[in-house]
Amino acid sequence: GNSVTQMEGPVTLSEEAFLTINCTYTATGYPSLFWYVQYPGEGLQLLLKATKADDKGSNKGFEATYRKETTSFHLEKGSVQVSDSAVYFCALLETSYDKVIFGPGTSLSVIP
Amino acid sequence: EAQVTQNPRYLITVTGKKLTVTCSQNMNHEYMSWYRQDPGLGLRQIYYSMNVEVTDKGDVPEGYKVSRKEKRNFPLILESPSPNQTSLYFCASSRDRGYQETQYFGPGTRLLVL
Repeated sequence: GNSVTQMEGPVTLSEEAFLTINCTYTATGYPSLFWYVQYPGEGLQLLLKATKADDKGSNKGFEATYRKETTSFHLEKGSVQVSDSAVYFCALLETSYDKVIFGPGTSLSVIP
Repeated sequence: EAQVTQNPRYLITVTGKKLTVTCSQNMNHEYMSWYRQDPGLGLRQIYYSMNVEVTDKGDVPEGYKVSRKEKRNFPLILESPSPNQTSLYFCASSRDRGYQETQYFGPGTRLLVL
């Protein structure tokens, strides 16, 4: 079945460091890919998305490129801030639109 | 303000005592869903509903019930809670099934079953 794998956390970075959170997926067809962010005590929010191969999603300084050849959708940010501390979920929407499948989440802590 | 509300936010109960977690959205969304979030497992879908009176099982429906009598409400019912249902629960809604990526999530309900 379809699945999403993310790098294990927690990840701790200093402010202004470069961030990469790896995400790979297994899916039939051509799923859409997403990154969600969950701030402490809140529900998930869509951060960015890409709907086809080679698409780049971007928002709030975060970027991710849909790589079909490596089945990956890694999240990157050039300079993290303390306010980026949150849990990040990689996810895919099955081609049939049946459901969204979430990865296990990666906790990020950014220290001043 | 567009939002999904859940109540209660925190709940401690004992094994076997029936409980209901309410969920309501004010966006006239057709698609609503319940998830549970557990460490290392991410979010797993419990039940979903594509419209009033239309509900279906997600990946982990055992021990849960839902109903969709009105478009805005989608309560989650635990008839006989057990400790393995201790978890963080999220309700979510989207315009329809094809817009699930832009689901609006509620703030979560943290449940502890003793």
